[in-house]
Amino acid sequence: TQLLEQSPQFLSIQEGENLTVYCNSSSVFSSLQWYRQEPGEGPVLLVTVVTGGEVKKLKRLTFQFGDARKDSSLHITAAQPGDTGLYLCAGFMDTGRRALTFGSGTRLQVQP
Amino acid sequence: DARVTQTPRHKVTEMGQEVTMRCQPILGHNTVFWYRQTMMQGLELLAYFRNRAPLDDSGMPKDRFSAEMPDATLATLKIQPSEPRDSAVYFCASGLVLSGQAFKYFGPGTRLTVT
Repeated sequence: TQLLEQSPQFLSIQEGENLTVYCNSSSVFSSLQWYRQEPGEGPVLLVTVVTGGEVKKLKRLTFQFGDARKDSSLHITAAQPGDTGLYLCAGFMDTGRRALTFGSGTRLQVQP
Repeated sequence: DARVTQTPRHKVTEMGQEVTMRCQPILGHNTVFWYRQTMMQGLELLAYFRNRAPLDDSGMPKDRFSAEMPDATLATLKIQPSEPRDSAVYFCASGLVLSGQAFKYFGPGTRLTVT
């Protein structure tokens, strides 16, 4: 059982559409990160959110941390083929192992 | 453009053989991580070091896996003996904390196939 569940697992959309990816947990995280991974490469950090309710924007990407710091969402506006990839959320807890736990991932395909 | 480098990029070996994967972290980063990625389990943390000292290796099978940092420019992950279930992509990442935020940079990975 994954500590962080992402949905949907797979998403195939047309260029120009909007989409939202969700990252949910029953645990509280002190911070949460989103990564994008392309085939044959390692994940690349997109953003870190720390405060409950925090919203961060990165061009057409909007990231939100839930008020209770148990969930997060990534919204992409007007998706482009360059957005294709595996999106991973990762939560950090200040207790226990004190290391990032990665979600199961959402594989996004944007068709031109 | 500083990057984490990993060698080899691909490794095919037979069950029972020893496998050594190497990682060169970004200069100045004081934390080094080893992750394993599979379709079934996703990204799993195997071990991590801070200032070359091992802080956590609870994610590794102790009987066959070992991780070391002989110096600040080299981290190694060794599997002996390897088994087919070890087939995965192994990522090294290095990181640091700036202004209270943690930044982590992943290498391109070593794709290991054990037959």
